[in-house]
Amino acid sequence: GESVGLHLPTLSVQEGDNSIINCAYSNSASDYFIWYKQESGKGPQFIIDIRSNMDKRQGQRVTVLLNKTVKHLSLQIAATQPGDSAVYFCAENMEKSSGDKLTFGTGTRLAVRP
Amino acid sequence: DAGITQSPRHKVTETGTPVTLRCHQTENHRYMYWYRQDPGHGLRLIHYSYGVKDTDKGEVSDGYSVSRSKTEDFLLTLESATSSQTSVYFCAISESSGDTEAFFGQGTRLTVV
Repeated sequence: GESVGLHLPTLSVQEGDNSIINCAYSNSASDYFIWYKQESGKGPQFIIDIRSNMDKRQGQRVTVLLNKTVKHLSLQIAATQPGDSAVYFCAENMEKSSGDKLTFGTGTRLAVRP
Repeated sequence: DAGITQSPRHKVTETGTPVTLRCHQTENHRYMYWYRQDPGHGLRLIHYSYGVKDTDKGEVSDGYSVSRSKTEDFLLTLESATSSQTSVYFCAISESSGDTEAFFGQGTRLTVV
């Protein structure tokens, strides 16, 4: 698989603690927002999404919060595990009949300390 | 990886040579995408396809062309490779517009020397 040696902002957390990864987006007309996880040597993997008419959505151990007033998106990971170590990207999307054109953020690296 | 295969996985080529990257899917998804990933830029859309022979440009399409002659294959061509096209390229597929879960391939590392 492939990965990129990105010089990314890094969030370091202790195993078992909660993690909060933040993202600022640019387009107030975006229809929905998505968080992707990219492990070393792999392509991005979908984690959770949220529509623009919502402000919170929960999944298994993850919660996404959307603040449209300040164009801010966050991903909260509960009880962070070593397997959560990865680069996390937020993406915004406008729905079009011609397909999704996701615009990705630059990513945040999550490092989990044992 | 949801039935997506990218080939080649690694390639080194010389400036000015043509290069074609292939994305093959076995999911029969309608939409296919090519992204490049570079430090400081995240993933950026190059071209995408919304059906056989239906393609459109993304935000960084200059220097690239694509073709989709059948549902399962989406080809990305660099007509004359430049060093600025050194990158990791990812193919993605999605079943329908509005389907938020796009599946990505493993990526192709292309180096232009």
